Amino acid sequence: GNSVTQMEGPVTLSEEAFLTINCTYTATGYPSLFWYVQYPGEGLQLLLKATKADDKGSNKGFEATYRKETTSFHLEKGSVQVSDSAVYFCALSDQFRSSYKLIFGSGTRLLVRP
Amino acid sequence: NAGVTQTPKFRVLKTGQSMTLLCAQDMNHEYMYWYRQDPGMGLRLIHYSVGEGTTAKGEVPDGYNVSRLKKQNFLLGLESAAPSQTSVYFCASGGRTASSGANVLTFGAGSRLTVL
Repeated sequence: GNSVTQMEGPVTLSEEAFLTINCTYTATGYPSLFWYVQYPGEGLQLLLKATKADDKGSNKGFEATYRKETTSFHLEKGSVQVSDSAVYFCALSDQFRSSYKLIFGSGTRLLVRP
Repeated sequence: NAGVTQTPKFRVLKTGQSMTLLCAQDMNHEYMYWYRQDPGMGLRLIHYSVGEGTTAKGEVPDGYNVSRLKKQNFLLGLESAAPSQTSVYFCASGGRTASSGANVLTFGAGSRLTVL
């Protein structure tokens, strides 16, 4: 079945450091890929998405490229801020087979220190 | 600008008690979902609905029931709560965007349930 694997956290960085959070997936069909972010005490918010191979999603300085050949969707940011501290979830949705259900990775906690 | 609203936000139950979590959305979305979030396990789908009057099982449906009598509401019920159901529950609703066709979900703020 479909699944998502994320790197385990926590990831601790200093402000202005470069961020990479790895995400790989297993899927049949043609999934859409997402990154959601959860700030403390809140629900999940969509950060970015990509719907087909080689698409790049971007938002708030974060980027991720849909790589079908390596089944990956790694999240990157060139210079993190303290306000980026949160839990990040990679997810996939196979819109043609699964009623648009999202399958999530286990989440990666990011802590950015001043 | 409400989006997805969950009630209650917090609840403590004793083993064997019953309760219902309510989810309401004001975005006219067809699809609605209930997930549970447990440490180190991400979010797991409990039940979902693809339209008013429909429900379907997700990954971890045992011990839960749902109903979607109105398009804007999706109720999650626990008939006889167990300590294993201690979790944070998230409701989400979704609809395809015109540009991409991808289903982007909007989440509620969560309901923290403790079963003693």
